[in-house]
Amino acid sequence: EDQVTQSPEALRLQEGESSSLNCSYTVSGLRGLFWYRQDPGKGPEFLFTLYSAGEEKEKERLKATLTKKESFLHITAPKPEDSATYLCAVIAGNMLTFGGGTRLMVKP
Amino acid sequence: DAGITQSPRYKITETGRQVTLMCHQTWSHSYMFWYRQDLGHGLRLIYYSAAADITDKGEVPDGYVVSRSKTENFPLTLESATRSQTSVYFCASSGGTGGAAQPQHFGDGTRLSIL
Repeated sequence: EDQVTQSPEALRLQEGESSSLNCSYTVSGLRGLFWYRQDPGKGPEFLFTLYSAGEEKEKERLKATLTKKESFLHITAPKPEDSATYLCAVIAGNMLTFGGGTRLMVKP
Repeated sequence: DAGITQSPRYKITETGRQVTLMCHQTWSHSYMFWYRQDLGHGLRLIYYSAAADITDKGEVPDGYVVSRSKTENFPLTLESATRSQTSVYFCASSGGTGGAAQPQHFGDGTRLSIL
């Protein structure tokens, strides 16, 4: 059975305090890993796709990396507007399996 | 505007009633998906569709029915609603040559309460 575990469940940062979110997975036949951002009352918003170990993607203050067993979402000098729940998901076959998410709060 | 829209945004109904949640996308994506999101369980796949008239079960399909007669629409029906189906329901779609391996784009959800 495919499993995706995200840690920590919640993270509080001061504005400008860089950190990383972890997504570890066990899956047969990984086709890709996605990172999403979800704001309260909204649907998940796509951030990145990673397809193979060693791949990295960047967007503004966010950088996603992938190894054979886990992915990291690095947040550099976060701002209050980066506060959201960050979800990772793996795709095997035609189905996406989501982790439980990390709720990030950035205080000014 | 192009995108994926869900209706209604909020719905309250009673146990035993039939309720249908609507999903419409304007991208002509081949794949469409229904998820439910619950505290402690995250997002779980209910059903998905690879194309019109092709549907398949996800992780939690019991108590739900789907159909897809047109590419752009993918309604989800609860034939006899139960309290355990109280949840937030999200529809998503993906397209391109990679099919389901392409990023899925989500609607803003339907919050369903069953009394």
